Amino acid sequence: SQTIHQWPATLVQPVGSPLSLECTVEGTSNPNLYWYRQAAGRGLQLLFYSVGIGQISSEVPQNLSASRPQDRQFILSSKKLLLSDSGFYLCAWTSGQGIRNTIYFGEGSWLTVV
Amino acid sequence: RKEVEQDPGPFNVPEGATVAFNCTYSNSASQSFFWYRQDCRKEPKLLMSVYSSGNEDGRFTAQLNRASQYISLLIRDSKLSDSATYLCAVNIFGADGLTFGKGTHLIIQP
Repeated sequence: SQTIHQWPATLVQPVGSPLSLECTVEGTSNPNLYWYRQAAGRGLQLLFYSVGIGQISSEVPQNLSASRPQDRQFILSSKKLLLSDSGFYLCAWTSGQGIRNTIYFGEGSWLTVV
Repeated sequence: RKEVEQDPGPFNVPEGATVAFNCTYSNSASQSFFWYRQDCRKEPKLLMSVYSSGNEDGRFTAQLNRASQYISLLIRDSKLSDSATYLCAVNIFGADGLTFGKGTHLIIQP
């Protein structure tokens, strides 16, 4: 069966510090991968998605970036965090087979920028 | 106009009652629809996919109304454990990923 894991689960970072969140999917090949953010009082916002190694599409311009160095690995990064980057970050995957395919989420990473 | 809209609630419902809430979407090209459940400080988990003919899973029934561009979720015989935030999600043909509503907060009271 397919599984998705992301880490770290929680982190507190000072403004201006770098960020790296990692996500790994097991049990499937060539998944579509996503990074969403859920800020307080706001809905799930799609940040990045990837349909293959090295292929990244950005939905929202900001100081975050994403990379996909391996088929099953998706990384969210920042060189300098802002207070507004605080939120619940969720990695997700789908098989990419058609429009009815369901998105499944990892456990999420709580980021607090102080 | 927001793409996917939900009444944020909270809906306070006594245990055993039936509760229903809707989700409207603005893009008529939307092709697939889902309901997710999200517990406090947890990731969203798929509750149901919503098909054009409507579908039922135990106490949960989902309906799609394309003419009026909304989907609905009905929960019968509500349990305390149904307390959560319910997110609707829409996939627009040609776009990638799902667009989510902000969720409806449901509280089942004993």
